[in-house]
Amino acid sequence: KQEVTQIPAALSVPEGENLVLNCSFTDSAIYNLQWFRQDPGKGLTSLLLIQSSQREQTSGRLNASLDKSSGRSTLYIAASQPGDSATYLCAVDGTDYKLSFGAGTTVTVRA
Amino acid sequence: AAGVIQSPRHLIKEKRETATLKCYPIPRHDTVYWYQQGPGQDPQFLISFYEKMQSDKGSIPDRFSAQQFSDYHSELNMSSLELGDSALYFCASSLGDQPQHFGDGTRLSIL
Repeated sequence: KQEVTQIPAALSVPEGENLVLNCSFTDSAIYNLQWFRQDPGKGLTSLLLIQSSQREQTSGRLNASLDKSSGRSTLYIAASQPGDSATYLCAVDGTDYKLSFGAGTTVTVRA
Repeated sequence: AAGVIQSPRHLIKEKRETATLKCYPIPRHDTVYWYQQGPGQDPQFLISFYEKMQSDKGSIPDRFSAQQFSDYHSELNMSSLELGDSALYFCASSLGDQPQHFGDGTRLSIL
């Protein structure tokens, strides 16, 4: 059974600082890995998807890396803004086609 | 672009009542997934359907059932509701093994 772990559970940084969110998974047999953003009580917004054959994906201030062999992914958010405050979830799409989620990292960016 | 539509957005029920949640996938998507996210928890996979047939089953209670109809929409039926069923229920759809796209969720509150 795929186990997905996200560290840290919570993060508070001043505006402008770069954010580094970590995700690890136990089974490296994956199709892809996704990073989602979730605002309190809201739905899931897909940020980046990395296919298993890729090493990283970038979108604006976001960059996600994937090291499948070591079972790790990192989400970098450059020059954080208060609007980046949210919970960030990592989800792994395994060979059974269902997503396994981590518990998330709750980010607070202080103005 | 059309997204996954879930209805209702909010639902309030009492213990032992029944509830039906609906999901309308993105057009031409043939696979639907249901996830449950309890308060402060990460989303947990419940069940999935491919071409109107159940394709996988996760941690779905026996009190819950689901089906996918000929127009590919899906319904999650929940009976004998318990306080612990209060959660955000997400539906996602995909085309085969392509990435899943999530709806905004249905918030179910059990009084």
